[in-house]
Amino acid sequence: KAGVTQTPRYLIKTRGQQVTLSCSPISGHRSVSWYQQTPGQGLQFLFEYFSETQRNKGNFPGRFSGRQFSNSRSEMNVSTLELGDSALYLCASSQILPGQNYGYTFGSGTRLTVV
Amino acid sequence: DQQVKQNSPSLSVQEGRISILNCDYTNSMFDYFLWYKKYPAEGPTFLISISSIKDKNEDGRFTVFLNKSAKHLSLHIVPSQPGDSAVYFCAASYKTGANNLFFGTGTRLTVIP
Repeated sequence: KAGVTQTPRYLIKTRGQQVTLSCSPISGHRSVSWYQQTPGQGLQFLFEYFSETQRNKGNFPGRFSGRQFSNSRSEMNVSTLELGDSALYLCASSQILPGQNYGYTFGSGTRLTVV
Repeated sequence: DQQVKQNSPSLSVQEGRISILNCDYTNSMFDYFLWYKKYPAEGPTFLISISSIKDKNEDGRFTVFLNKSAKHLSLHIVPSQPGDSAVYFCAASYKTGANNLFFGTGTRLTVIP
């Protein structure tokens, strides 16, 4: 079966612009989570969507937002980009509910560079 | 505040020997722990996990040990193979919480042939 697909793979944006990243989860997976990976910080949780609702949110400013569509595909948006937003953004999908085993499958990520 | 810490950014091991990767956590509410492996230009892939009710879980060459009193876990790879060279992330979660993981900063393992 197809894995988690993230588009685009690479992106270069200018400070102050906004960006939208896309994630298509594995078919049948209803939970989509987003993580930011930066050197020295590891993976930081951004938010999780389940059935089109944001179920949990990490400690990021309001410039980071997301949404999920009825087909479980998800997008995340970053507005007013800052140099520090340069990172690898990873999407993970799961069909598991809270309290059970974690069946996260990660996509390959979108590498965002802000100049 | 980093609640999951991997204090060794890198580790080099000879092929065939044991690799031991360490992870410490500060939040005593964590009760499920996972290890992920990441190759360049790919997303992390799940390796092995352990629930807090256990102190050891084994899967082939990979064994995870959990010491709850010390808030410490380790991943043992025996024997190490060149294909194991990757970045390893430790992660933790609340079993009854939402579906989000707290990750460490990773340890880059290099297995020397």
